[in-house]
Amino acid sequence: EAEVAQSPRYKITEKSQAVAFWCDPISGHATLYWYRQILGQGPELLVQFQDESVVDDSQLPKDRFSAERLKGVDSTLKIQPAELGDSAMYLCASSPTTTGVVETQYFGPGTRLLVL
Amino acid sequence: AQSVAQPEDQVNVAEGNPLTVKCTYSVSGNPYLFWYVQYPNRGLQFLLKYITGDNLVKGSYGFEAEFNKSQTSFHLKKPSALVSDSALYFCAVRDLFSGGYNKLIFGAGTRLAVHP
Repeated sequence: EAEVAQSPRYKITEKSQAVAFWCDPISGHATLYWYRQILGQGPELLVQFQDESVVDDSQLPKDRFSAERLKGVDSTLKIQPAELGDSAMYLCASSPTTTGVVETQYFGPGTRLLVL
Repeated sequence: AQSVAQPEDQVNVAEGNPLTVKCTYSVSGNPYLFWYVQYPNRGLQFLLKYITGDNLVKGSYGFEAEFNKSQTSFHLKKPSALVSDSALYFCAVRDLFSGGYNKLIFGAGTRLAVHP
């Protein structure tokens, strides 16, 4: 069964350092999502791609976070500089299509970030 | 604003007994509702979704959910709980104002503990 891949699984960094997370969606899925899940809370959407285009980044802290999906396949989420409050689980998800269709999102295992 | 609420932080049930995890929603239109499960240090796994039609939706691992429009609820149920069902359960609703894109709004989660 095809799965969403993420790496690394765990990351420890010091505040003010840069970190990057990678996601490879299920093959053929046009839509890719990055979520942040703070301990004890539900996931919150950071950014959503349709192919290589960003369709929603309204909750992305753009002063320090950036995301790209250059060829419309895999994606990278970057934080620079990291802050203590960025400690969380970062989840990537993908779905086959998006516009006008209620699709199921399939999640990867996540990257747990700890900022010291 | 659209939202989902999971009124119980934790649900405790004995193995073999029926279980219910509650979810209520608030949307200004027809809701599209989802349930996901999360095991420790893992991503979210899709259980089931309601789009339209039969109010009783059957999903993975023997779970089902009942959509109740008058009570604006979408409770997750299972006739006989297993210890292995112990996990964190999230209810989610599709954001109807996301321009046709499948943005999900998640509840805070309910921890299910099944005791032998």
